[in-house]
Amino acid sequence: EDKVVQSPLSLVVHEGDTVTLNCSYEVTNFRSLLWYKQEKKAPTFLFMLTSSGIEKKSGRLSSILDKKELSSILNITATQTGDSAIYLCASFNAGNNRKLIWGLGTSLAVNP
Amino acid sequence: NAGVMQNPRHLVRRRGQEARLRCSPMKGHSHVYWYRQLPEEGLKFMVYLQKENIIDESGMPKERFSAEFPKEGPSILRIQQVVRGDSAAYFCASSPRDTDGYTFGSGTRLTVV
Repeated sequence: EDKVVQSPLSLVVHEGDTVTLNCSYEVTNFRSLLWYKQEKKAPTFLFMLTSSGIEKKSGRLSSILDKKELSSILNITATQTGDSAIYLCASFNAGNNRKLIWGLGTSLAVNP
Repeated sequence: NAGVMQNPRHLVRRRGQEARLRCSPMKGHSHVYWYRQLPEEGLKFMVYLQKENIIDESGMPKERFSAEFPKEGPSILRIQQVVRGDSAAYFCASSPRDTDGYTFGSGTRLTVV
């Protein structure tokens, strides 16, 4: 059965800290891995990764995919209280249904 | 572009009533996906539709739940005879024809009392 596992489940840090969130996947017909940030509303898109070893960067956030290890990490540097959210990782099963397989998320709390 | 629009944002139903959740995809998106989010289970796939077609409903409960995406109008997720366990956030996402990009709506929070 396809699955996506995220760790840690929750994390509490102080402003200014750097955090690394992990995502591992076992998905048949793997096509891409996506990271989302969810605050009180809908998940908002962060990154889509399809190629191994190529870092994607957006401000203080960056992410990279390792297809050999079937995993991805999301890094956040110089964290701010506004980074507090649930970070979700998902992978496409690129069979006929194109459905996303979701991890349970990592709940990040950044304290001032 | 208004994004993916879901309504209502909050819906309260008594046990046994019907719940209808609506989703209007982004302009130009012909693929619609419904997900349910429960506190301990994360986001779970329910159904994937294209216009007038259900492509994959493997995540839908076998009874009481149905979905449609008519030629005109929004996609509808319908839950008949709701029970307390149906209380959850229901998210809709849409994507363009051949790319992976998903855009989510803000969700409908269903509470069954």
